[in-house]
Amino acid sequence: GDQVEQSPSALSLHEGTGSALRCNFTTTMRAVQWFQQNSRGSLINLFYLASGTKENGRLKSTFNSKESYSTLHIRDAQLEDSGTYFCAAEAGRGSALGRLHFGAGTQLIVIP
Amino acid sequence: DAGVTQTPRHEVAEKGQTIILKCEPVSGHNDLFWYRQTKIQGLELLSYFRSKSLMEDGGAFKDRFKAEMLNSSFSTLKIQPTEPKDSAVYLCASRSGTDTEVFFGKGTRLTVV
Repeated sequence: GDQVEQSPSALSLHEGTGSALRCNFTTTMRAVQWFQQNSRGSLINLFYLASGTKENGRLKSTFNSKESYSTLHIRDAQLEDSGTYFCAAEAGRGSALGRLHFGAGTQLIVIP
Repeated sequence: DAGVTQTPRHEVAEKGQTIILKCEPVSGHNDLFWYRQTKIQGLELLSYFRSKSLMEDGGAFKDRFKAEMLNSSFSTLKIQPTEPKDSAVYLCASRSGTDTEVFFGKGTRLTVV
C-alpha cells in the first residue's frame, strides 16, 4: 500500500502569500527529503531531514518521525516557486531499509 | 563535482526495439536508483542497487526491464522489447548510502511509437 500521503495535490498561491504542504507516513521512516520539480522536469533538492526543522530562505521544513509526518512551509511565494513538490521518505525497518517512498506530489501554481 | 549524468536526454524508439539508457552516479556514491515517472502513475521504482548489488527491483517491471551496474560509476537500464506504454521519463538517482541525501539526474524522456 501507499506509505506516503501527500497533501494537497494542488495549490494556487498569490505572490507574496504562503502555505504549507504535508506528508503523512503510514510506517516508520528514518529520514525525509523534499524536492521541487521544475518546468524542465529536473528534481531539485530542497531539504534532507533525519529529524527536527531546517530553514532555507523562504522555505522551512519539519520532520517528526514519532508522529510520522513532515511539512514544507513556503512563505512570500514567488513565481519561480511554481512547480511540483515531492516528499520522499526513507524506510526505517527490515527488508525495506533504505528504500525511498515518494508522495504523489503537490502541484503549486503561483499567481501574479 | 559532477552530479548524476543521464544519457541520452531524449530517445525515440519504435515498438519492439531494444533501448539502453545510461547513468553515471555521483562519484563515490554507493546507492543507485532507477525510477520511471508518468503523470498517471507518478514516480515508480524500477531498481535499487547498493554497492553494485541489486537490492530491489520493481516487481511489475521484471519481464522487459533490466538494470545493471557494470561498475560503481556506470549503470544501464535496458528495455526489451519496448512498448508504447513505456513512454515516460526515466530518472536515475544516487546517494552515498542510507541516511544520506539522494540526488537525481535530469532524466531521459523516452517516446515509443
